[in-house]
Formats: sequence, structure tokens, C-alpha cells
Amino acid sequence: QAVVTQEPSLTVSPGGTVTLTCGSSTGDVTSGHYPYWFQQKPGQAPKTLFYDTTNKHSWTPARFSASLLGGKAALTLSGAQPEDEAEYYCLLVYSGVVVFGGGTTLTVL
Amino acid sequence: EVQLVESGGGLVQPGGSLTLSCRASGFAFNSHWMNWVRQTPGKGLEWVANIKPDGSDKYYVDSVKGRFTISRDNAKNSQSLQMSSLRAEDTAVYYCLAGGGYWGQGTLVTVSS
Repeated sequence: QAVVTQEPSLTVSPGGTVTLTCGSSTGDVTSGHYPYWFQQKPGQAPKTLFYDTTNKHSWTPARFSASLLGGKAALTLSGAQPEDEAEYYCLLVYSGVVVFGGGTTLTVL
Repeated sequence: EVQLVESGGGLVQPGGSLTLSCRASGFAFNSHWMNWVRQTPGKGLEWVANIKPDGSDKYYVDSVKGRFTISRDNAKNSQSLQMSSLRAEDTAVYYCLAGGGYWGQGTLVTVSS
């Protein structure tokens, strides 16, 4: 089974910019892996920020963007806010089989 | 408004069985893949199973193959997860996740004697 890798933790200053990445043990991440990005805060269900690489939901703040970058899926936060402190997970699809990354703990400090 | 509501969680003994249900509304259920995802308290998300919109294909994580069965009823906008031979390590909050990224609030399954 493929392994999906994320940075375990990242720190960003308020108002700063940070990029979280999502890599695959099988090679480059492509749109064919239908990358998803989720945000989860303590005690809450996950919330989807992006699906199918770059599609966003109505609730996704404009300061978040998603892309494919350097063979990985990437989530960029520009202008970090205190409320963005959370766990972020990515998901990749391998011919129907879904694999989550281990999550990135984002601290806004 | 999109809603996914899980039900059926609870306490079950090791080796026992349980069926989870997820009722959907507010979107074209029969056009979306449906997934079950679980999360142990304090741990990450683990995908469990999914099913194609027409029900013709199903996939499972290795640890539940042969024990869990996913199904759906497009006429009732619902999906189910039949779980048998449950183990302590199956203890988790189980979430319903629709293609496109819609989540339910989760239902807790506790496997313990």
C-alpha cells in the first residue's frame, strides 16, 4: 500500500505564509490522485478545504490555495490567522483505494 | 444544505458485530463515491472503505478486509458499513465522507469487554 507523507509540524507567524505538502511513496502526485485537503480542530469533525486538487468549497477562506508543486500536492496559507491553527490532512486516491497522510500540526505563533 | 448523519455506533464486545448507517441529503447522492473514515482519539484519520456511485466497485483497507462490508441504497440516499469480528483496535469515531468532501459528525464505536 502506498504511503502518503506530510510534514509532522509547521509553524507560521501571524500574517505569514506557509506551504504544507503531500507526497506519495509511489512517485509524483498528479491530478489523477484527486488530492484532498482537510482541516481539523480539536473536538471537531474534519472540514474539507479542497478536493480534486484545486476545487474549493464555499467555506474555504480565500487565504488558502491548493496546487501541485514539485511532484507533490501543496496547500498554501497566505496571511495566517490565529484561527488557522489546526491539524491538516491530505488524501490521495490510488485506483479507488484511499490513503490519508499522517497530518501536519500547524501552529500560528 | 448538505447533511450526512451517521448512526449505529455503540459499545460491542470483541468478536461482535455492528452496522453503521449514514443518511445523506442536500446533494446528488447517487453521483458520488461514498467513504467510511475512522479516527482513534488523538490519532490521525484512517480510510476504511469506499463504494462507487452505482455500487459496482468497493475497496477496503487491508485491516478490515473480510470483516467489514460497505453497501449503499441510492433510493434511500444512504450507505452502511457492516462490521463483524470486531477487535479492540477497531475502536474509533467512524465518519461518513462523500466524494467532493462532505463529512458527517461521526459515530463512536467502542470494542471492549
